[in-house]
Amino acid sequence: DAGVIQSPRHEVTEMGQEVTLRCKPISGHNSLFWYRQTMMRGLELLIYFNNNVPIDDSGMPEDRFSAKMPNASFSTLKIQPSEPRDSAVYFCASSPGRPQETQYFGPGTRLLVL
Amino acid sequence: AQKITQTQPGMFVQEKEAVTLDCTYDTSDPSYGLFWYKQPSSGEMIFLIYQGSYDQQNATEGRYSLNFQKARKSANLVISASQLGDSAMYFCAMRERNAGNNRKLIWGLGTSLAVNP
Repeated sequence: DAGVIQSPRHEVTEMGQEVTLRCKPISGHNSLFWYRQTMMRGLELLIYFNNNVPIDDSGMPEDRFSAKMPNASFSTLKIQPSEPRDSAVYFCASSPGRPQETQYFGPGTRLLVL
Repeated sequence: AQKITQTQPGMFVQEKEAVTLDCTYDTSDPSYGLFWYKQPSSGEMIFLIYQGSYDQQNATEGRYSLNFQKARKSANLVISASQLGDSAMYFCAMRERNAGNNRKLIWGLGTSLAVNP
């Protein structure tokens, strides 16, 4: 089975540009999570969806960040405009739900904003 | 208050020896799940092992086992016969079951393990 797929794997952009990160969850999983990881702040949950519906976006840092899940097999995380402090590794994870609710992570997108 | 505590920022172990990575948790929920993940230097987050609060036996997955002591609220990861490839960051996480529709994991800060040849 294919795991969680993220694209791009690496992104270098300039401050002010729009960045779109993409995620394809594992087929059949009903929950999807977006995380950000930095040395300073560790692993932070940004937002998660259950059955394509955003459940908790309290971790989204500010209005520059938005996430969508138009269907069960695709999600995007958009940053507009990007800032240098957004530089991080962004992970997408999916979960099949109960009983165990294990989250399976994608390989991550390394974002560098210059 | 921190709900997941990993007190060892860094650990060293000799190749082929066993190592225990500590994790303590705090919850008033009688139903919860505990997870361990591995993050090697390449960056991916790899699920290792899961323990449910009602599971009668300690979880095992190959060389990984979970020393679950419910009364002490600890869920230590034991890696037997360490290999060089075990060098990585290890994260403990918890999901509180009775948190309604909330599927968030609560994460520890991680323990960095270095396996010496």
